[in-house]
This record gives sequence, C-alpha cells and structure tokens, in this order.
Amino acid sequence: EAGVAQSPRYKIIEKRQSVAFWCNPISGHATLYWYQQILGQGPKLLIQFQNNGVVDDSQLPKDRFSAERLKGVDSTLKIQPAKLEDSAVYLCASSSWGRSGRAGNEQFFGPGTRLTVL
Amino acid sequence: AQKITQTQPGMFVQEKEAVTLDCTYDTSDQSYGLFWYKQPSSGEMIFLIYQGSYDEQNATEGRYSLNFQKARKSANLVISASQLGDSAMYFCAMGEESNYQLIWGAGTKLIIKP
Repeated sequence: EAGVAQSPRYKIIEKRQSVAFWCNPISGHATLYWYQQILGQGPKLLIQFQNNGVVDDSQLPKDRFSAERLKGVDSTLKIQPAKLEDSAVYLCASSSWGRSGRAGNEQFFGPGTRLTVL
Repeated sequence: AQKITQTQPGMFVQEKEAVTLDCTYDTSDQSYGLFWYKQPSSGEMIFLIYQGSYDEQNATEGRYSLNFQKARKSANLVISASQLGDSAMYFCAMGEESNYQLIWGAGTKLIIKP
C-alpha cells in the first residue's frame, strides 16, 4: 500500500512570495490533515478535511493561508504572502473514517515539506 | 480542556539499556486513545503504538510497550534494548472518540549513546 505523498520536500523562498504544497493521501482515506511543525515543537493542526469538506480550520491563518481538497483526494496548501515565521515543516496526514473499536484514529504521515522563508 | 504533557525535553541513554519516556494527559472524555509517534531527523512521523482507554492490557509492539496508568492519566512509552536507530524525537498524542483529531505533546528528544 502506497503511503502519503508530499511535494516538494524542500522549498526556499523570500518573504512576501507565495508557495504551494501538494499532498496525496493513502487511497481510501477520507480524512486529511495539514499540520505546521516549528522546529522543536509538536505538530499544530492547520486544517482538517473530511472528503472534500472542511471539518476544522480554526487555526489556519486565513489572511495568508488557504487549502483545498478537490474531489476528496489530493490537497493543496498555499501561503500567500509568506512571512519569516512561516518557516517550518508542513506535514500532511490521512486517516480512515470511523475505524471501529478504536477511539481516536491513527494518522499516517507523509515525509513533510521543509519551508525556509528568507 | 484536553492536554498532553511530556516533561522530558531530552534524554541520553546508553545503547542496549531500556528507556522510559513520560507522557501525562488530561481529558474529560471516557473514551479516548493514546498514540506514540517517532520522528527521526528525516522529518517523517512514524506511528509506534496505540492504547485505548478501555483496553485492560498494556499495549506492546515489538520492543515498544506502553505503561498505561489510567487513574494517574499517564501513558509512558518503554523502549527495551535501545538501539542507535532509536535516536529521534518522540511524541505522545491523544485522540478522542468524539472527533478525529490528535492533541500532541511537545516531544522528547532521545539520543542513544554507543
């Protein structure tokens, strides 16, 4: 079974530029998450999709960040314009919906995109 | 409010020794799950082990076991016979039955010494 795919793996941009990240979840996984992970910290949830609908985007800085999940499969996260504090690893994860017998769902992660804003 | 606390920012352990990574949690839900993930320097999050709140037995997966003490709200990860490849960040996370999000701790950086 193929894992979660992300691209690019690394990106260096200057502040005020825009950038986009792509994620392809595990086949059949209805739930997709985007996280931001600052160096030395735990992941912070930016947005959660269930199929192609948004479940939670309360921590997404909507003035500069946007995300979409067309057709309930691939997803794109965009930052426009980028700030220095956006330097982080952006992780995409997916999980199956309603896994019986287990409270909370295991999330499967992609390799992440390391963003550096200069 | 739900919260995960990992009190050890970093640990050094001699190769082949056992190591315990601490995790305490706070939740008002009766049904929840506890997860441990490993994050090597490459950056990918790797799932290690899961413990459900109603599971009577402590979870085990190979060299990993979870010391679950429900009354104390702790879910410590035990790694037996540590190896150099165990050097990584380790995160404890909690998921509740009511949603499908994970609450994450700040992590513990584990370094295995040869």
